[in-house]
Amino acid sequence: EDQVTQSPEALRLQEGESSSLNCSYTVSGLRGLFWYRQDPGKGPEFLFTLYSAGEEKEKERLKATLTKKESFLHITAPKPEDSATYLCAVQWASGYSTLTFGKGTMLLVSP
Amino acid sequence: EPEVTQTPSHQVTQMGQEVILRCVPISNHLYFYWYRQILGQKVEFLVSFYNNEISEKSEIFDDQFSVERPDGSNFTLKIRSTKLEDSAMYFCASSEAGQGLAIAFGSGTRLTVV
Repeated sequence: EDQVTQSPEALRLQEGESSSLNCSYTVSGLRGLFWYRQDPGKGPEFLFTLYSAGEEKEKERLKATLTKKESFLHITAPKPEDSATYLCAVQWASGYSTLTFGKGTMLLVSP
Repeated sequence: EPEVTQTPSHQVTQMGQEVILRCVPISNHLYFYWYRQILGQKVEFLVSFYNNEISEKSEIFDDQFSVERPDGSNFTLKIRSTKLEDSAMYFCASSEAGQGLAIAFGSGTRLTVV
């Protein structure tokens, strides 16, 4: 069964303390890997899509990378406003457009 | 920036009643979706819709559920005879293409079945 696993479940950082979030997936053909940010009571907000191993994308303090089995979301010098749940979702080649989500990593950045 | 709009933001309904959740997708998008998130759980796919028909649906999307695009701008999810376990956040989403491109989500409708 295709699976998406995110770790850690929760992460607490001090402002300025860089770290990485992990998303691993079992492979049955990956069409795209998506990162979303979700604030409490809100819908997922699109951050990045990665399509092939070795690809990297950046946006402000966030950088997403992709290998054949996992993706990392690197957060450099985070600020309190980066506090949110970060969701990873995979679009399988076998499916048409469905996203399969992981459970997310809840990030809390303290000032 | 264009966004997916959902109404209402919160709906409370009696068990057994029918509810309709409404969405206005981004205007140039062609693919429409419904996802749901039960409190504390992961976001789950319900259904995708393209060219006025369902293109994919999950096991969750049984005969209790239906979708419709009644006009050129709205996309609705109908839940017949709601159950307590239907209580969740329901997200509408849309995308320009079915594969690979960003899928934009609305802010959701919180459905509470009592």
